[in-house]
Amino acid sequence: DAGVIQSPRHEVTEMGQEVTLRCKPISGHNSLFWYRQTMMRGLELLIYFNNNVPIDDSGMPEDRFSAKMPNASFSTLKIQPSEPRDSAVYFCASSTWTGQDPEAFFGQGTRLTVV
Amino acid sequence: QKEVEQNSGPLSVPEGAIASLNCTYSDRGSQSFFWYRQYSGKSPELIMSIYSNGDKEDGRFTAQLNKASQYVSLLIRDSQPSDSATYLCAVNNAGNMLTFGGGTRLMVKP
Repeated sequence: DAGVIQSPRHEVTEMGQEVTLRCKPISGHNSLFWYRQTMMRGLELLIYFNNNVPIDDSGMPEDRFSAKMPNASFSTLKIQPSEPRDSAVYFCASSTWTGQDPEAFFGQGTRLTVV
Repeated sequence: QKEVEQNSGPLSVPEGAIASLNCTYSDRGSQSFFWYRQYSGKSPELIMSIYSNGDKEDGRFTAQLNKASQYVSLLIRDSQPSDSATYLCAVNNAGNMLTFGGGTRLMVKP
């Protein structure tokens, strides 16, 4: 398996623009997580899905952030409008939610810079 | 209070020594526990998982879990410079919510 695939790897955008980050989980995994990592705040859980359904989005910082998972093989995280403080590395991870061996594997991340 | 706590370090050990990394968590309903390693500029990489009280060994790594004390640790024997990285403790609850600690930076000096 190719692992969790994220795109783009790097994104530089101007303040106020819309940004869409994409994630393809590992085939067969039914849980998907979006994290944001900064030096100051570490790795923060933004939202996670089980079986394509959002379970907990309490980590989503503001209404400017939204996430969707239209099917088992694709998820997006959208920021509209973007702000400089959104600059961070955004990771997607996936795992199985079967009660056994729920080990999560990460994509390579998207480094977002908002100028 | 953060749900998963780690000492941020840096923890500095000489090459060949044992590195001991610690983690506490607040949710008594937590069921699964993980250690990830993250090199600078890279994504977190799973190195150990543990689900029941006691020790679990994998090569030079040993994970220890004490649910009564809500404590997880990772021991790295015969530490190598290549072990220098940030180690992240993660805890999973019944709903599969995976929460990370802030990480401990380990430096292994030759």
